[in-house]
Amino acid sequence: QQQVKQSPQSLIVQKGGISIINCAYENTAFDYFPWYQQFPGKGPALLIAIRPDVSEKKEGRFTISFNKSAKQFSLHIMDSQPGDSATYFCAASFNDMRFGAGTRLTVKP
Amino acid sequence: DAGITQSPRHKVTETGTPVTLRCHQTENHRYMYWYRQDPGHGLRLIHYSYGVKDTDKGEVSDGYSVSRSKTEDFLLTLESATSSQTSVYFCATSNSKQNYGYTFGSGTRLTVV
Repeated sequence: QQQVKQSPQSLIVQKGGISIINCAYENTAFDYFPWYQQFPGKGPALLIAIRPDVSEKKEGRFTISFNKSAKQFSLHIMDSQPGDSATYFCAASFNDMRFGAGTRLTVKP
Repeated sequence: DAGITQSPRHKVTETGTPVTLRCHQTENHRYMYWYRQDPGHGLRLIHYSYGVKDTDKGEVSDGYSVSRSKTEDFLLTLESATSSQTSVYFCATSNSKQNYGYTFGSGTRLTVV
């Protein structure tokens, strides 16, 4: 069973808009929650990550919001750009890393 | 990706044949992982290694074996390839068991016909 559930499967956003991708997890032992960005033909690359002792982490236009009680976390991409078009994966780890199914983001110019 | 090389990048093989994929790293990372990526499933862990000759199974290990005789090399073998093993395979490395973020290779696209 998928230990990390990600939604939506695909997302289309206009340039300058906000992209929001959501993830939920079951295992309360998870202690590290990264987001990965993947371009076609490439491997996933670490984008931003958070630990459960904080509720929000921001790096440039990318923000993770974390809700420990709800066992949910989300990625917000502010001022989305066409270059952000990629597949995004959330993940959660304890001893090894489990990934969500991915969200294909398209930012239209 | 520069520190992790996967080979081959593409392979087509016939059902029933053995196939070995190679992951080579220059990061000197202790931990190495093999994932497969399929639409709708994200990345699923096949096997992982915590050091030379120290390997363990992941969530989708059936039909796969691994070996790690040197820190820098992690081999994934499909003992008898099946069409369900058609996938993109990614190797990843980490410097910490606490998983401060993996570095991924560029992947191997395997087609079993």
